[in-house]
Amino acid sequence: DAGITQSPRHKVTETGTPVTLRCHQTENHRYMYWYRQDPGHGLRLIHYSYGVKDTDKGEVSDGYSVSRSKTEDFLLTLESATSSQTSVYFCAISDLRNSYEQYFGPGTRLTVT
Amino acid sequence: KQEVTQIPAALSVPEGENLVLNCSFTDSAIYNLQWFRQDPGKGLTSLLLIQSSQREQTSGRLNASLDKSSGRSTLYIAASQPGDSATYLCAVRRSRNQGGKLIFGQGTELSVKP
Repeated sequence: DAGITQSPRHKVTETGTPVTLRCHQTENHRYMYWYRQDPGHGLRLIHYSYGVKDTDKGEVSDGYSVSRSKTEDFLLTLESATSSQTSVYFCAISDLRNSYEQYFGPGTRLTVT
Repeated sequence: KQEVTQIPAALSVPEGENLVLNCSFTDSAIYNLQWFRQDPGKGLTSLLLIQSSQREQTSGRLNASLDKSSGRSTLYIAASQPGDSATYLCAVRRSRNQGGKLIFGQGTELSVKP
């Protein structure tokens, strides 16, 4: 398995509070991604990064921000959590060396009450 | 806009049966296609990656084919086992730009009965 960890694995938080999820990789892959997975919607890209300090929006980026200060870490922040952000969040990595084959982390289950 | 469809949404087969999962995409201009497996409550595991120039890829009992011109890929599972029960997702990568972002299908939930 690719060396990808996500923390925390589970979190319950209240509406209006900020939340930060962390993705850490040991593979030195250039690209990192944050997805959310919801029943009926499948996997949707939130944000991605193509290098340190280089990030861009995905299809469902409203209410989320990201930062990447080191190759190995990609942070996802919910600035003011809402119930609609209750979901399972997955981090993924890829690199040209592997023809951009994406490898996924174990996920974080977030509940906003 | 690229759309990826997987039919059926769910499939139940008896153990030992050979089976085919289908994936179709609307834009044939893809860089490659990736098949994943997801067990309940777990992350996605990459099964096979097929480049746009390839026709098929094999790994153990799994064989994935790609027909770009018709916008189709199939995942063939030989001699299915209960341990193959999971959701199978396909995803297409339109280009190598932007880190090769993936467009996912909704998945096929497979149940293999002992």
